Amino acid sequence: EPEVTQTPSHQVTQMGQEVILRCVPISNHLYFYWYRQILGQKVEFLVSFYNNEISEKSEIFDDQFSVERPDGSNFTLKIRSTKLEDSAMYFCASSDSLGVNPSQFFGPGTRLTVL
Amino acid sequence: QKEVEQNSGPLSVPEGAIASLNCTYSDRGSQSFFWYRQYSGKSPELIMFIYSNGDKEDGRFTAQLNKASQYVSLLIRDSQPSDSATYLCAVSSNFGNEKLTFGTGTRLTIIP
Repeated sequence: EPEVTQTPSHQVTQMGQEVILRCVPISNHLYFYWYRQILGQKVEFLVSFYNNEISEKSEIFDDQFSVERPDGSNFTLKIRSTKLEDSAMYFCASSDSLGVNPSQFFGPGTRLTVL
Repeated sequence: QKEVEQNSGPLSVPEGAIASLNCTYSDRGSQSFFWYRQYSGKSPELIMFIYSNGDKEDGRFTAQLNKASQYVSLLIRDSQPSDSATYLCAVSSNFGNEKLTFGTGTRLTIIP
């Protein structure tokens, strides 16, 4: 069964450093998303991406964040200058075009720890 | 602010019984509703979605939607210990391909 993959599974970085989180969405999906989940809190939407541009972004997704689809398979989230409060699980998700199943399928996540 | 509310639990249910999980949402324009299961330290795993009023069944799971009451629920029949997890309700304002707004989740424990 096709699935979303993410690398790395765990990233430790120093405050102020740049990190890039990588995702490979399900191959025939056209919509991509990033969510985050701070430990013990709910899953929060960051950004959605379709047709090589951002469809929607949340208040969390400020100028420190950017997304890119550098090639036909990868989808990346970059945090330019990490802060302590960026420590969280980051989930990538993808969904098909409007069809029978509108659901978003999540990858296993990247645990980001900012020291 | 669009809100999705769930009782955080924990909800304890004996093995073999029916577990009932509830969710309310504030945005009356919401169109599609999803239930995800999340094991500790893992990612959300889709159980099912619903966007029409009424019941939708998939195996041991039944989702129920009442848009007038802004209420969606998930029933799990013949509960198994492997069903012990946090259940997340998520809501979208469209029929798909838009952001999901999640509740905080209900932690379910199935007692053998």
